[in-house]
Amino acid sequence: NAGVTQTPKFQVLKTGQSMTLQCAQDMNHNSMYWYRQDPGMGLRLIYYSASEGTTDKGEVPNGYNVSRLNKREFSLRLESAAPSQTSVYFCASSEERVGGQPQHFGDGTRLSIL
Amino acid sequence: QQQVKQSPQSLIVQKGGISIINCAYENTAFDYFPWYQQFPGKGPALLIAIRPDVSEKKEGRFTISFNKSAKQFSLHIMDSQPGDSATYFCAASISNQFYFGTGTSLTVIP
Repeated sequence: NAGVTQTPKFQVLKTGQSMTLQCAQDMNHNSMYWYRQDPGMGLRLIYYSASEGTTDKGEVPNGYNVSRLNKREFSLRLESAAPSQTSVYFCASSEERVGGQPQHFGDGTRLSIL
Repeated sequence: QQQVKQSPQSLIVQKGGISIINCAYENTAFDYFPWYQQFPGKGPALLIAIRPDVSEKKEGRFTISFNKSAKQFSLHIMDSQPGDSATYFCAASISNQFYFGTGTSLTVIP
């Protein structure tokens, strides 16, 4: 039972390069999320997807794009990486139910932009 | 404007002591309040959660106290152990949108 799987685990990029972070969940959840985690700032939402085919901006979407490929997969793309995007990126998923349900997180992608 | 404010930023507790982490929120429409535990190199994992219709929830050594009128909630870790050393995040949720506190780094000294 893998839960939420993120690839790659580590990546170093040069400024201006592009890359896609992959996320897949096997819990049949409708909602998926991308966060970045920076020291002292907690988790900040980049984009989320309430269901297959829909995506919405979160708190810090600039410089990122997302694709909800199917119900299982939600990818995050950096078109032209900048040093300010050096961070740990977490993907999460949850069921959509009245009264709230917990999010399940992957183990993150540690991204450094030189 | 930060939706959820968490304190303290860091906490050092002796083994066997009580660890207390506090959070405050603004939006009275929040309907779900989870706490997450995160170890280095890992993603956050759900520890315990509460809904606003109850004032306290206990699971083993972990207790959430919830004060709806004050818009505050806290995590109490009883008999703290070195294995509890981690970063703890509170969160508040509405309609599957989650807002996180900035985290508390807990160190339990043997």
